[in-house]
Amino acid sequence: GAGVSQSPSNKVTEKGKDVELRCDPISGHTALYWYRQRLGQGLEFLIYFQGNSAPDKSGLPSDRFSAERTGESVSTLTIQRTQQEDSAVYLCASSPGASVAGETQYFGPGTRLLVL
Amino acid sequence: AQSVAQPEDQVNVAEGNPLTVKCTYSVSGNPYLFWYVQYPNRGLQFLLKYITGDNLVKGSYGFEAEFNKSQTSFHLKKPSALVSDSALYFCAVRDRGNQGGKLIFGQGTELSVKP
Repeated sequence: GAGVSQSPSNKVTEKGKDVELRCDPISGHTALYWYRQRLGQGLEFLIYFQGNSAPDKSGLPSDRFSAERTGESVSTLTIQRTQQEDSAVYLCASSPGASVAGETQYFGPGTRLLVL
Repeated sequence: AQSVAQPEDQVNVAEGNPLTVKCTYSVSGNPYLFWYVQYPNRGLQFLLKYITGDNLVKGSYGFEAEFNKSQTSFHLKKPSALVSDSALYFCAVRDRGNQGGKLIFGQGTELSVKP
């Protein structure tokens, strides 16, 4: 696609429920990133996929968070047993992943998650 | 540990005046440096980046940034602000040794340009 797309744009859920957030990267981009943006704060790195390499999961805040990526396309971020502190905007980004020096990450519009 | 500081939560500028949004970083070695802008209810848009070479980098919408190695700073500037520049600005850094790695973001600076 022309840009990174994410769905849903908004999600309201009850505490304890599981949620799935979807990201479609720019076509041809092999690198995909998930970030979290809490209200009034900067972005926190969550996880990074690059081709067929093992993902960098170093930013996942707990074992309730997981993510998958199908080949070099769609990615799903899953949050199990949601807590109120999970409320945030979840942003996905992609980049060409060709190891070009300082390549730019392009961001989607985000999914705004509210846990009641 | 890598970190990015944006010392001002908010910057207020009159339209037509020059603007500066400050950013300093703490990393080992020389990082890649980025500026992004976020408009309300939208994702981040890339503005510019420093990779190597000329310390003054020019980007989108008339913005520029100056890399200062001795001061470990990468301040964003524009000679003449527009009301439409009002948005949230983020500075970010990436480890030069990590070709495709994560970005470390500052907390963001809210820029308000008044007519």
